[in-house]
Amino acid sequence: GAVVSQHPSRVICKSGTSVKIECRSLDFQATTMFWYRQFPKQSLMLMATSNEGSKATYEQGVEKDKFLINHASLTLSTLTVTSAHPEDSSFYICSARDLGYSYEQYFGPGTRLTVT
Amino acid sequence: DAKTTQPTSMDCAEGRAANLPCNHSTISGNEYVYWYRQIHSQGPQYIIHGLKNNETNEMASLIITEDRKSSTLILPHATLRDTAVYYCIVVTGNQFYFGTGTSLTVIP
Repeated sequence: GAVVSQHPSRVICKSGTSVKIECRSLDFQATTMFWYRQFPKQSLMLMATSNEGSKATYEQGVEKDKFLINHASLTLSTLTVTSAHPEDSSFYICSARDLGYSYEQYFGPGTRLTVT
Repeated sequence: DAKTTQPTSMDCAEGRAANLPCNHSTISGNEYVYWYRQIHSQGPQYIIHGLKNNETNEMASLIITEDRKSSTLILPHATLRDTAVYYCIVVTGNQFYFGTGTSLTVIP
């Protein structure tokens, strides 16, 4: 089946620094990728939809200047958390849709971000 | 926003069928029902999806009522590895909006 990877799997950073998370579709091309955030014991919350070659669409309440998304190729999207604060500590998960293959999304394994 | 309602938690004996219900009373005619599951601290895993007809694959069966207002995911012979949070998602356009899901615990 289709595989999506994320890097890093875990990251610890200091408050005020920026962190970049990569999401790659390994064996398929993805025109659309999605970024989710999940706090402990809560469900996944969609943050933004990322389309290759265009600006990301952010969900209401998600700061686009804080969560920078780049989708420069059909296999790579990046999420940069700028000026991270402890409240940004969360589990960040990306997913990707295969070109023209229904609505199914393939999810990455997630990135655990801890801001100290 | 999520358009589904699921019980918060369920238990199932190992080897028995697990039946997970989902209400989606406001579903539109062209919206699909997708089921995913998430094992602790991992990304969600696709299980099955359907529009109107019942569906079956190697993992599960999906039963959708005739009025499409509810569905049931059936794991025919639950194993301990099936312990996870199961999400029923009504797909609106491109996006998935996850509800709270059902935490299924398979008991030995």
